[in-house]
Amino acid sequence: DAKTTQPPSMDCAEGRAANLPCNHSTISGNEYVYWYRQIHSQGPQYIIHGLKNNETNEMASLIITEDRKSSTLILPHATLRDTAVYYCIVRVPLLSSNYKLTFGKGTLLTVNP
Amino acid sequence: DTEVTQTPKHLVMGMTNKKSLKCEQHMGHRAMYWYKQKAKKPPELMFVYSYEKLSINESVPSRFSPECPNSSLLNLHLHALQPEDSALYLCASSQERQGIPGANVLTFGAGSRLTVL
Repeated sequence: DAKTTQPPSMDCAEGRAANLPCNHSTISGNEYVYWYRQIHSQGPQYIIHGLKNNETNEMASLIITEDRKSSTLILPHATLRDTAVYYCIVRVPLLSSNYKLTFGKGTLLTVNP
Repeated sequence: DTEVTQTPKHLVMGMTNKKSLKCEQHMGHRAMYWYKQKAKKPPELMFVYSYEKLSINESVPSRFSPECPNSSLLNLHLHALQPEDSALYLCASSQERQGIPGANVLTFGAGSRLTVL
């Protein structure tokens, strides 16, 4: 799986958009970008994934650059409950039964009142 | 039902005890996982079961013994643990659909927080 680089921490004001960057310059053509988050002392929660087109769901938007070397997760109107560690993971949908999802260090997003 | 349920939420055990962590899901997922998470660190994969068979063991010490009695249940048996094994143990499940991006979407439980004295 391609290596990802995320800032260790970010702050965002409540009600504003939170833009979380992820660099994955060694991504290969068949690797997807996945985002999970983990609120303190809870299990990680899936947010969104994409290959090359921008994606949006009820939680967030994912913007992937044209060269696919970086992406941005956007929380359009951050709330205090969005304070969490956000993980960007790049991987190939495996063609075997060995699903190995590896978490990096992630970004601690703190939403301030 | 879209949840993964883990019990107990908290467990305190001595180094000579034998205990078990349990995980249950009813989403029809055929891949199940155990992760270990130390404080302020990301989750680390321990085991993966696919169709009730162990498919990944990340060189986990034998004092951790996983078991998958059926497609809905996953256990982690603990014996002769060390204080450094104290951590949050997370169970997860996913669809078993090879090559499909959505198969990498894991649903996690809330975790079992283990303290070894």
